[in-house]
Amino acid sequence: AQRVTQPEKLLSVFKGAPVELKCNYSYSGSPELFWYVQYSRQRLQLLLRHISRESIKGFTADLNKGETSFHLKKPFAQEEDSAMYYCALRGGSGGGADGLTFGKGTHLIIQP
Amino acid sequence: EAGVTQSPTHLIKTRGQQATLRCSPISGHTSVYWYQQALGLGLQFLLWYDEGEERNRGNFPPRFSGRQFPNYSSELNVNALELEDSALYLCASSPSYSLYNEQFFGPGTRLTVL
Repeated sequence: AQRVTQPEKLLSVFKGAPVELKCNYSYSGSPELFWYVQYSRQRLQLLLRHISRESIKGFTADLNKGETSFHLKKPFAQEEDSAMYYCALRGGSGGGADGLTFGKGTHLIIQP
Repeated sequence: EAGVTQSPTHLIKTRGQQATLRCSPISGHTSVYWYQQALGLGLQFLLWYDEGEERNRGNFPPRFSGRQFPNYSSELNVNALELEDSALYLCASSPSYSLYNEQFFGPGTRLTVL
């Protein structure tokens, strides 16, 4: 069975401080990993995916297969980063287009 | 470009009734996904439709069912409602069946079962 764990329900950091949102996964095959973000009063949207290996809004995430982790990092937090962040995995038999398995989310609060 | 739309925004039912939720995907998208976000359980995958066919379903009982219409819109039906079915139901769509497709989410339907 596939599982995504986000150990922190809430993470509060000061503006300008580094941010790391933790994500660990359990999956027997080669997963696709994603980070989704939900800003206040907005719908859930894709932030980044591991295959893109790109930086979005200053965030990066590296897939570590040895540690089965996909932590989200940003060197300098900004107030507009305050949001709910979800780590998600896609595996299964759907040929790459299957439903996502989500973690329970981390509420990130950036204090001024 | 219009995003994924869902209706109704809120739905209140009593235990034992049936609920029907609707989703319109982004134009050109053929895959529709349904997720349940219940308090304390997080987002859970319910169903996936593509080209009118059910492709996969999550770990939910058969009273959760749905369909996809020729215009790719979709309905989620929940029969014999139970109190624990109260949740936010999210619909997402993606382009045709291929690797690495991004899923675009709708605003959700809040179902309350009394």
